[in-house]
Amino acid sequence: AQSVTQPDIHITVSEGASLELRCNYSYGATPYLFWYVQSPGQGLQLLLKYFSGDTLVQGIKGFEAEFKRSQSSFNLRKPSVHWSDAAEYFCAVASNTGNQFYFGTGTSLTVIP
Amino acid sequence: NAGVTQTPKFRVLKTGQSMTLLCAQDMNHEYMYWYRQDPGMGLRLIHYSVGEGTTAKGEVPDGYNVSRLKKQNFLLGLESAAPSQTSVYFCASSRLAGIENIQYFGAGTRLSVL
Repeated sequence: AQSVTQPDIHITVSEGASLELRCNYSYGATPYLFWYVQSPGQGLQLLLKYFSGDTLVQGIKGFEAEFKRSQSSFNLRKPSVHWSDAAEYFCAVASNTGNQFYFGTGTSLTVIP
Repeated sequence: NAGVTQTPKFRVLKTGQSMTLLCAQDMNHEYMYWYRQDPGMGLRLIHYSVGEGTTAKGEVPDGYNVSRLKKQNFLLGLESAAPSQTSVYFCASSRLAGIENIQYFGAGTRLSVL
């Protein structure tokens, strides 16, 4: 069965510092992987996705993620965090039929001045 | 540019009451989904639909029913609400499944069952 693990429940970084949010997945075949962001009181917004090809994918708002099959990971990164990046971040995996998504439990990001 | 619209935004129910949550999308998407979000549990799929007139169970379907009578609408019903159904409910839609399954989310409905 598919599953997603986000080991960090909460992360605090200083504005301008780099960021890496971890995501590990469990899936037998080639996964379809996603990162979503949720601002307080809002729905989820897609940051980036990986389906195939280049393992380093670029997303919106300066985020990128790298797919590492050997580590079953899809970590999200940003070189310099802005205060507006404070939000909840969710990693998700979809099956190859794509009818169902499996979300991680989320990582809450706090940005301090 | 509405996208996915959920109504209502907030609701308080008493145990045993019933209610229907409405999700409407204006993107002509085939696929629609209902999730619930609980602290520390992420989003869990309740039911989904792959087209008008079709529905299927997700990970946590018990206590909920759904209908997709029109392509643009996906209704989530609670026949007899229980405190365990206190949650934030999100609707999502996508144009395709498989490799192009990009889900677009509504702003959520916060439901409290007393």
